[in-house]
Amino acid sequence: GAVVSQHPSWVICKSGTSVKIECRSLDFQATTMFWYRQFPKQSLMLMATSNEGSKATYEQGVEKDKFLINHASLTLSTLTVTSAHPEDSSFYICSAYQGAGSNQPQHFGDGTRLSIL
Amino acid sequence: QKEVEQNSGPLSVPEGAIASLNCTYSDRGSQSFFWYRQYSGKSPELIMSIYSNGDKEDGRFTAQLNKASQYVSLLIRDSQPSDSATYLCAVSQAGTALIFGKGTTLSVSS
Repeated sequence: GAVVSQHPSWVICKSGTSVKIECRSLDFQATTMFWYRQFPKQSLMLMATSNEGSKATYEQGVEKDKFLINHASLTLSTLTVTSAHPEDSSFYICSAYQGAGSNQPQHFGDGTRLSIL
Repeated sequence: QKEVEQNSGPLSVPEGAIASLNCTYSDRGSQSFFWYRQYSGKSPELIMSIYSNGDKEDGRFTAQLNKASQYVSLLIRDSQPSDSATYLCAVSQAGTALIFGKGTTLSVSS
């Protein structure tokens, strides 16, 4: 079945560091990928929609200069948290549809737990 | 603002009982409806998907959809302690991002 791989699974780093998270679709092409963030005891909140070959679409309140998204190929999207601070500590999860347009479930990566000291 | 509402719980049921989880959504244009299970610290895992009115059964799980009432439910029969998790209701239009509810925490006691 479809698999979405996310790397790394854990990151602990100092304040001010930039962190890159990779999301790969392993056995299918994904023209669109989604990035979500989940704070403790809260639900998943959509941060942005990543479109292959074009700019990402960010949700209201998400700083596009802080959360850089690159979707350079049909199997890879990256999220870079620039100059991360403790308030950016969260669980970041990517997802992708295997098909386009039709009723298909999203496949989720295993998530990246980011801790900024 | 598109919203998905769930009772946060916790919902506590004894082992072997039926657990009933409910969800309402605001966007009448929603076409796809999902239930995900999420264990603490893990990514969501798809349990059920439903796209048309009525019931859909898969093993111990039954999803029910009523578009007129904008209501989705999940029944878990013969609940097991391993079913203890947070259950997320999610809706979307075809090919778009999922809108998640805040989740219902289910606790199944042995």
